Amino acid sequence: DGGITQSPKYLFRKEGQNVTLSCEQNLNHDAMYWYRQDPGQGLRLIYYSQIVNDFQKGDIAEGYSVSREKKESFPLTVTSAQKNPTAFYLCASLDRNTGNTIYFGEGSWLTVV
Amino acid sequence: GQNIDQPTEMTATEGAIVQINCTYQTSGFNGLFWYQQHAGEAPTFLSYNVLDGLEEKGRFSSFLSRSKGYSYLLLKELQMKDSASYLCAVDPSGGFQKLVFGTGTRLLVSP
Repeated sequence: DGGITQSPKYLFRKEGQNVTLSCEQNLNHDAMYWYRQDPGQGLRLIYYSQIVNDFQKGDIAEGYSVSREKKESFPLTVTSAQKNPTAFYLCASLDRNTGNTIYFGEGSWLTVV
Repeated sequence: GQNIDQPTEMTATEGAIVQINCTYQTSGFNGLFWYQQHAGEAPTFLSYNVLDGLEEKGRFSSFLSRSKGYSYLLLKELQMKDSASYLCAVDPSGGFQKLVFGTGTRLLVSP
């Protein structure tokens, strides 16, 4: 099946730890994105990547890092510098071939304990 | 700045029609998206408008007026499964690099 796979679905992090959220897509999409969603707020862009080996900061990049070594993969690392990491994280990719539609993965819930 | 306004919550009855409005003030405009999001799940794509007018897809339609900075999502023949949040998002800069999302409208459909 084609789609965007995020893992893990649920993750608990201790204070001071870095954690990495995985995002893999087999849709052959060039552009990929990471969003954060908090209750009562709209989705906010963390990082995006238009092509392999290139990525750009979004609106709330502080405390996060990404890499784009392969077209299919866009992992997000939540570092200890991110002071309020508890949130729902969504990975997405862009399909330019069918009307520029952005598709989302199932999301990852990160909780700091 | 970028701003998108949607009502926070709406209620409707099964079988009815509901219109969810979205107004936007953004630095540019290159298209508007509507997404449906059930609680705890990822958003799913509903519609994309880039030109003025109405786009119809089955029970769902989306309207855009660029001159008014206004869009609405129309849901007909409401079903219980339509209870969800509906997100409006604008692409202000082109290239879909930085979509700006509204906070979403939570729709509750009652029997």
